[in-house]
Amino acid sequence: EVQLVESGGGLVQPGGSLRLSCAASGFTFSSYEMNWVRQAPGKGLEWVSYISSSGNTIYYADSVKGRFTISRDNTKNSLYLQMNSLRAEDTAVYYCARDVGGSWPRFDYWGQGNLVTVSS
Amino acid sequence: EIVLTQSPGTLSLSPGERATLSCRASQSVSSSYLAWYQQKPGQGPRLLIYGASSRATGIPDRFSGSGSGTDFTLTISRLEPEDFAVYYCQQYGSSPLYTFGQGTKLEIK
Repeated sequence: EVQLVESGGGLVQPGGSLRLSCAASGFTFSSYEMNWVRQAPGKGLEWVSYISSSGNTIYYADSVKGRFTISRDNTKNSLYLQMNSLRAEDTAVYYCARDVGGSWPRFDYWGQGNLVTVSS
Repeated sequence: EIVLTQSPGTLSLSPGERATLSCRASQSVSSSYLAWYQQKPGQGPRLLIYGASSRATGIPDRFSGSGSGTDFTLTISRLEPEDFAVYYCQQYGSSPLYTFGQGTKLEIK
């Protein structure tokens, strides 16, 4: 069974840092592209970042570029999101999502989400 | 940047009725790159449709997708109680790599 489990969220002050993790199981993690998607309270979905299966190709939304860093460790079946210079508008539930890629890209499995709250 | 606009914002229907949800893109989108998701409160989204019209694994056949170019539609033929949720369309493109519509809330009338 495919499982994605996020951790590392919590309360952080503006300007602070946090590192999210996503532990993957039930599939060959190293074969899949991965993404982070966030959802502010009561709002819609916002794509945050993408990483290829090897980690060699990375993309970011403009809203987080220069502040967030996505990475992965295929030996540990884990995905990460290092978040620096956090702002109040980064407050959201953060989801990791598996990306099928290829000719019909889509997110076929999602984690349960992890809340990040940026507040003083 | 391609913007996806979903309508209506909220749709009030009764179980057994037919639901038609719209997703309009600001520029033409390849059908291969259009997906639909369902999200229930407190849960991560669930993939329903990809490639505009292909059902994901385990999705009931009452869910169908159609459309091309800038206009896409998700249809639920006969609403079941578990179908009341928020629905999002998503497109794959360039800068940003992915975008989502703002969502349509399907509520019980």
